[in-house]
Amino acid sequence: AQSVTQLGSHVSVSEGALVLLRCNYSSSVPPYLFWYVQYPNQGLQLLLKYTSAATLVKGINGFEAEFKKSETSFHLTKPSAHMSDAAEYFCAVSVVSYDKVIFGPGTSLSVIP
Amino acid sequence: GAGVSQSPSNKVTEKGKDVELRCDPISGHTALYWYRQRLGQGLEFLIYFQGNSAPDKSGLPSDRFSAERTGESVSTLTIQRTQQEDSAVYLCASSITTSGGTDTQYFGPGTRLTVL
Repeated sequence: AQSVTQLGSHVSVSEGALVLLRCNYSSSVPPYLFWYVQYPNQGLQLLLKYTSAATLVKGINGFEAEFKKSETSFHLTKPSAHMSDAAEYFCAVSVVSYDKVIFGPGTSLSVIP
Repeated sequence: GAGVSQSPSNKVTEKGKDVELRCDPISGHTALYWYRQRLGQGLEFLIYFQGNSAPDKSGLPSDRFSAERTGESVSTLTIQRTQQEDSAVYLCASSITTSGGTDTQYFGPGTRLTVL
C-alpha cells in the first residue's frame, strides 16, 4: 500500500529565504503526487500535482515540486518565502488502481519577519 | 459555482450520543471522501465513495462509524455512541475522477466535533 512521510512537522524560515518542505512516498506502482495547503482557519486547497507528465511541477503562489523517482521524493520548494506562506502543508499520494488519496502528517511552516 | 459544503460547522455532543455529519459535494463530482483531522495532526482517511462502486471503508476506525451516499449527491457520516477520542474536524472532499485518484480534491470547510 502507498504511504507518505514528511520530514519535519515544523519548519521555520526567514522572510525572503528558501522554503524546502520534504516529502517521501512509498508506492509499488508509479504514483500520483499532490501538495495541499491549509491556511489558518481555511479549508485545504491544491498547490500542485504530479501525474506522470513533467517531473518539475509548478503550482500556485510561486511553489514548485520535483518528482525524483530514484529518491522516491516530491519535495516542495519556493525561492523566497512570504509572510502569507505561513500555513500547514500536506503531501499526498494516490495510485490509479486504488483510487484513494493518502495524506502525509503535514508540515507547519512559519515565516519569521 | 458552489463548492463543497458541510453541516453543521460545529457540533458539541455528550459522550455516548450519536451524531450525523453532512456533506454536499460539488455537482457532478463522482468521488467523495471523508477524512478526520485531530488537533495538530494530519488527515486520516475514513471512507471513499466512487460512483456506484462499493465504498472503500478501509479507514473507518470502528463499527461505530458508518457513512452513506445517495447516488452522486449528499453523504452523511454517522458516529454512534460518541467517545471523547472522536473529537476532531471531519473533512469532506469531492473530485471528478472516474478512473483513479489523479484528480484534484475540493475540500469542504469541515465539521468541528467536540465530545464532552
